[in-house]
Amino acid sequence: QKEVEQNSGPLSVPEGAIASLNCTYSDRGSQSFFWYRQYSGKSPELIMFIYSNGDKEDGRFTAQLNKASQYVSLLIRDSQPSDSATYLCAVNMEYGNKLVFGAGTILRVKS
Amino acid sequence: GAVVSQHPSWVICKSGTSVKIECRSLDFQATTMFWYRQFPKQSLMLMATSNEGSKATYEQGVEKDKFLINHASLTLSTLTVTSAHPEDSSFYICSARAHGSPKYFGPGTRLTVT
Repeated sequence: QKEVEQNSGPLSVPEGAIASLNCTYSDRGSQSFFWYRQYSGKSPELIMFIYSNGDKEDGRFTAQLNKASQYVSLLIRDSQPSDSATYLCAVNMEYGNKLVFGAGTILRVKS
Repeated sequence: GAVVSQHPSWVICKSGTSVKIECRSLDFQATTMFWYRQFPKQSLMLMATSNEGSKATYEQGVEKDKFLINHASLTLSTLTVTSAHPEDSSFYICSARAHGSPKYFGPGTRLTVT
């Protein structure tokens, strides 16, 4: 079992729709979770981080965390073509205090 | 957010030579710096973790004698790829964190070994 799993996609949504990106992780002791956006040829850009169960909202983005289910998600409201990118879920593993990345989900927002 | 810089942004070198990549935290003191490698269409793979003033901790499968990491100050870490080969061609990205803060990434260095 991979430490952090994401559906590779591509996930295609029309402009203005809600995009839902999902991630599961294996380490029950993990305490912090991150979502990054990466454009082709560029470095990852931090979108949000979440530490507590529940929802955390920032503008058009909402991160959701369920530690019991070892599941974290990212919702993007009013999706724009500029949101088209690869979204990386990262989990700070309790062992070694290191950030482990999922393979990423490709999102395509069509105008 | 915190700013992390890398230099150079891209480099081409000949097989057998060594290349040094710098990673700097510009507006905070980074107690820990991380080096990642990303091959095309793959995710980021952690290579090593370095804490200021101590030896780096390498991930399994990463040759510590080939990828030399120095974290001499709270704002600078360097990665030296020694005796580079074409298979070392990749996108190298550093990240830095202060205690308890989220991790921010540098812009990356694209290495091409010919």
